[in-house]
Amino acid sequence: DADVTQTPRNRITKTGKRIMLECSQTKGHDRMYWYRQDPGLGLRLIYYSFDVKDINKGEISDGYSVSRQAQAKFSLSLESAIPNQTALYFCATSDIGEGETQYFGPGTRLLVL
Amino acid sequence: RKEVEQDPGPFNVPEGATVAFNCTYSNSASQSFFWYRQDCRKEPKLLMSVYSSGNEDGRFTAQLNRASQYISLLIRDSKLSDSATYLCVVNNPYSSASKIIFGSGTRLSIRP
Repeated sequence: DADVTQTPRNRITKTGKRIMLECSQTKGHDRMYWYRQDPGLGLRLIYYSFDVKDINKGEISDGYSVSRQAQAKFSLSLESAIPNQTALYFCATSDIGEGETQYFGPGTRLLVL
Repeated sequence: RKEVEQDPGPFNVPEGATVAFNCTYSNSASQSFFWYRQDCRKEPKLLMSVYSSGNEDGRFTAQLNRASQYISLLIRDSKLSDSATYLCVVNNPYSSASKIIFGSGTRLSIRP
């Protein structure tokens, strides 16, 4: 079984809709991250969390919110989706003991019409 | 200037060739460095960490040059399966917004 899972894997939604992307991990890591990937721009950090009570904005947090429900779960919400949020979204975990090596989920492809 | 910069490529080389690419970083306080590999439509996966003294893992060699602020990846005897995008990653624990910075990747294509 995968250590980091994401649901859904693909999603098509309409402008203005609220959607949630979910991430679960069985690695026992405290640190979790949400990234988006766009062609030519690489991975950009949206939000990160170093433990259940810690939430931090990343480089591009506008239009997004997150919830860290438990050590193993970190969800990303788009409150009112817009077309330029169409992207590939990755969840990742890391452990400070491993020098912050990132372990990624399989990604969610989101299309906002 | 981007914090981490890579030549996007594509690098198109024949099987068996040696290929190398660099990644430059702007923040001299950066502390740890990595190369990740990403196959098309897949998640990035750690290829190797980059140590100050340089390190080798089979056909892959990574080096760090702190004075010039770049890291490099050398692939010897390239295989068709090496075709992928290679992401440079820099960890700067003192950055206020984003401690882990990804380069936008270098695309490598190995031809038969």
